[in-house]
Amino acid sequence: DGGITQSPKYLFRKEGQNVTLSCEQNLNHDAMYWYRQDPGQGLRLIYYSQIVNDFQKGDIAEGYSVSREKKESFPLTVTSAQKNPTAFYLCASSQNGEGGYTFGSGTRLTVV
Amino acid sequence: SQQGEEDPQALSIQEGENATMNCSYKTSINNLQWYRQNSGRGLVHLILIRSNEREKHSGRLRVTLDTSKKSSSLLITASRAADTASYFCATAPQTGANNLFFGTGTRLTVIP
Repeated sequence: DGGITQSPKYLFRKEGQNVTLSCEQNLNHDAMYWYRQDPGQGLRLIYYSQIVNDFQKGDIAEGYSVSREKKESFPLTVTSAQKNPTAFYLCASSQNGEGGYTFGSGTRLTVV
Repeated sequence: SQQGEEDPQALSIQEGENATMNCSYKTSINNLQWYRQNSGRGLVHLILIRSNEREKHSGRLRVTLDTSKKSSSLLITASRAADTASYFCATAPQTGANNLFFGTGTRLTVIP
């Protein structure tokens, strides 16, 4: 089945550590996105990529980094510069142009 | 902020009743989409309505769009307990950027 996979489902990080969240899709979608969701709130865009080897900052990119070396993969690194990283992170993909997004099931990151 | 806002923030109804959620946004759009999120999961795309459309149906869902008022509504008819979830509207800007801006969501509870 085609879909988008995020791993791990739960992640615990010590303060000062970098962690990388995985996002893989087999939908042959061109565009991929990372969103952050805090409790009771909507989604805020961290980074997005419309094509391999290219990505753009979203509204809250500070303290995060991404890469897009392969069409299928768009990993997100939460760096130690992110002051409040505890949140639910959602990856999505879409075919460029009009259309809905397909979301992964999310990674819940907790700083301990 | 380009984020939309849903109204109400929370809605509780009896099974079998209709549920109506509203979304307001600020900028000109290419299309507006509605998503559903079960607790702790990713979002699921429900329906997309283009800026030149006024109403769209999909099963028990009915979406309206009023671009002059920059608002949309989602109606779920004959609600079921399984409809309990958060519902988000998302707008695709007319600028051509392939990003969605999500609202803050409506938490719907359907009581059996």
